[in-house]
Amino acid sequence: AQKVTQAQTEISVVEKEDVTLDCVYETRDTTYYLFWYKQPPSGELVFLIRRNSFDEQNEISGRYSWNFQKSTSSFNFTITASQVVDSAVYFCALRTIIQGAQKLVFGQGTRLTINP
Amino acid sequence: EAGVTQSPTHLIKTRGQQATLRCSPISGHTSVYWYQQALGLGLQFLLWYDEGEERNRGNFPPRFSGRQFPNYSSELNVNALELEDSALYLCASSYRALTREADTQYFGPGTRLTVL
Repeated sequence: AQKVTQAQTEISVVEKEDVTLDCVYETRDTTYYLFWYKQPPSGELVFLIRRNSFDEQNEISGRYSWNFQKSTSSFNFTITASQVVDSAVYFCALRTIIQGAQKLVFGQGTRLTINP
Repeated sequence: EAGVTQSPTHLIKTRGQQATLRCSPISGHTSVYWYQQALGLGLQFLLWYDEGEERNRGNFPPRFSGRQFPNYSSELNVNALELEDSALYLCASSYRALTREADTQYFGPGTRLTVL
């Protein structure tokens, strides 16, 4: 079975603090893809990053960075020097291709609040 | 480039009625996905259409159905509405997804369905 766990339901930090959102996944598929999406109050899911299972290189994009570790089945997301505009619900998602499913399996989301 | 669009933004129905939600994918995308985001239940995969065919459906009753038109836009129909169908319905699109490569799904702003 495919499963994504985001153990942190809510996180609240003060602006400029660094914050890490955890994501742990389960799959038996050898080829899979991991995603992070941001959902601001408007409701639309905004794509942030995609990572293939065979590419364990970490990635940095401005204040955002992602740490993919197959050994621990984790794909954590760090925001450096957080800003109020980072406040949103963040979802980690897994996509495997089993029997042509090709659907996204989402974690429950982490609500991040950045206080000024 | 225009993103995924959905209509209506909000929809209010009463129990037993039918609801029709619409989605237009990003130009060039042939796959359309529907997800339900109900309070407390997270994001659940509903349906996947590609090239006019239903390719996969999630664990939802047959009351949930849809179709994809020749221009790749899609409709989601929910018959015999129940109170628990109240949710945000998100549509996503991607390039052709019948290979083992996972094409990124881009989401629309959603339709918020309220069943009274």
